[in-house]
Parts: sequence; structure tokens; C-alpha cells
Amino acid sequence: QQQVKQSPQSLIVQKGGIPIINCAYENTAFDYFPWYQQFPGKGPALLIAIRPDVSEKKEGRFTISFNKSAKQFSLHIMDSQPGDSATYFCAAQTGANNLFFGTGTRLTVIP
Amino acid sequence: DVKVTQSSRYLVKRTGEKVFLECVQDMDHENMFWYRQDPGLGLRLIYFSYDVKMKEKGDIPEGYSVSREKKERFSLILESASTNQTSMYLCASLTGTGGYGYTFGSGTRLTVV
Repeated sequence: QQQVKQSPQSLIVQKGGIPIINCAYENTAFDYFPWYQQFPGKGPALLIAIRPDVSEKKEGRFTISFNKSAKQFSLHIMDSQPGDSATYFCAAQTGANNLFFGTGTRLTVIP
Repeated sequence: DVKVTQSSRYLVKRTGEKVFLECVQDMDHENMFWYRQDPGLGLRLIYFSYDVKMKEKGDIPEGYSVSREKKERFSLILESASTNQTSMYLCASLTGTGGYGYTFGSGTRLTVV
């Protein structure tokens, strides 16, 4: 059973566009929602994260929107660049050893 | 920066072989993890360890075992490799003192033929 559902599976946008990746969860015990970015040949790297007591977090061009009542959260990439082309994983976590990943979204930003 | 190093980037092994995947972290982290990554399935937890000689099964432990004899090193063992274990294997570590962000290694792509 997938604890975190992620969509879309793949996404293609033009440079400057705003790709949006959506995730949903069921377990209300989750208290940390990170996003990981993975480039080909590399392991995932923590990109940005949010806790459920805030509705939005912004770091540079990356923004997480969080809707606690709907149990949904999303990643927005402003002014996307070809260098943002990567696979993005959302995740939900409770405690150090309970991290559940979504299935990933392969983003391609066309110049 | 925390560094998690996986000893091999690519491995090709034969069916039935015993396979060792090694992972070393350099920041004295208590928690270490082994995941496998498959297209369309995301990352799935195989095993994790929260201290030396301690281990816990993850979501898909069947066909795998682990060893943690030293704090910095966490090994994944495929007792008898099978073709359905062809995958990307990722090691990660996490501090036990309230941290939540995992640090991953670059992965080992294992092909079992």
C-alpha cells in the first residue's frame, strides 16, 4: 500500500514555466514532508521540506504548498530552468525511521 | 557536509552469487538505511539500523540481510542473488539527534544475470 501518492509520473515544461507536482497522504501522524531531487547517476538530495503547522514554504524558486485538511501537498518550481530537469520525490515522515516516498516525477524543462 | 559513500557504482553478478554492497558515512550518524529504487515504484526500504549491531526490517527485506559492525559502515547482503534483485540500491544516513533529512549515497546499480 502506497503511503504517499504522487502525480504526475512525468512532466515536460518550457523554460520559464511553473511545473507543479502533487502528493497526497492518509496517515495524519506524519509530521515532516520533504521533497528530494535526484539527478541521473546521483542519489536523491533533500531539496525543501515543510511541517504541517504551516501552509507554505518558499526557498528560492521552490515552493511547497501544504493543505492539512485535504492531506495534500505540492511542489511548485518558479521560472523553471533546464538545470531543474531531474526526478522529484515527495515524502512523508514521522520519527527518524519512518520515511515514505512517493513514486517520483520525472521533470524535463525544455530550453 | 555529510558524505555517504557506496563502494561500487555498477555491479554485475550471476544468479546464485552472494553479493555484498558496502556503504560508509563520515558524520557519526546513528541511523543508516538501505533502499532499492525501481521505475514507477519509487524508493522502498529494505533494512535500517539505528545503532551498531542493531537492525530492523523495512518493507521488502526478503532475500536480503544486513550487517553493521561499526557505526560508520552498513552492508547489504544478497544471500543468493536473483534476477528480480536487479535494481538501483541506495544507502542513506540520518543523525539520531532530532534530524529529519536523509543524506543519500550515489547508488549502486546492480545487474543480476
